[in-house]
Amino acid sequence: KQEVTQIPAALSVPEGENLVLNCSFTDSAIYNLQWFRQDPGKGLTSLLLIQSSQREQTSGRLNASLDKSSGRSTLYIAASQPGDSATYLCAAYGGSQGNLIFGKGTKLSVKP
Amino acid sequence: EAGVTQSPTHLIKTRGQQATLRCSPISGHTSVYWYQQALGLGLQFLLWYDEGEERNRGNFPPRFSGRQFPNYSSELNVNALELEDSALYLCASSLLVGEGGETQYFGPGTRLLVL
Repeated sequence: KQEVTQIPAALSVPEGENLVLNCSFTDSAIYNLQWFRQDPGKGLTSLLLIQSSQREQTSGRLNASLDKSSGRSTLYIAASQPGDSATYLCAAYGGSQGNLIFGKGTKLSVKP
Repeated sequence: EAGVTQSPTHLIKTRGQQATLRCSPISGHTSVYWYQQALGLGLQFLLWYDEGEERNRGNFPPRFSGRQFPNYSSELNVNALELEDSALYLCASSLLVGEGGETQYFGPGTRLLVL
């Protein structure tokens, strides 16, 4: 049974700092891994999707990496801004079962 | 292109009542997924519908049920509501699994409060 864990649960950083969010998964037989952003009380915004054959994906100040052998993914945020404050969720997709398995998220606070 | 839409945005019910939540997928998407996000429990998978059929179900009791209509929109029904059913219910849609269906697009959610 796939389990996804995110560390830390919460993170507070000053504006401008580079930061790394961690995600680990127990079953390496994933189809892809996706990072989402969730603002309070809102739905999910997809940030980056990494296919199982890929090692990383980049979008603007965001870079996500995937190491299937170690069961880990990281989301790197460069030059953080107060607008980046949100909860970041990672989710593993196994394919045949259809559903995403989510971690519980990292709540990020970027202080001006 | 319109994204995934959900209605209502908020729903207040009392214990024992029934709740009906609705979801319209992105045009062209045939799969609809329902997830529950309860406080402290994270996002948990509820149901997956594709082409009108239930394809997979999460670890939830039978009072959680749903259906998918010919236009691919979907309903989630929760019977005999309990206090712990209070949560944000998120709907997602995708193309058919195996044909690009690995990317799910999420709606804004319905917040259900059970009193």
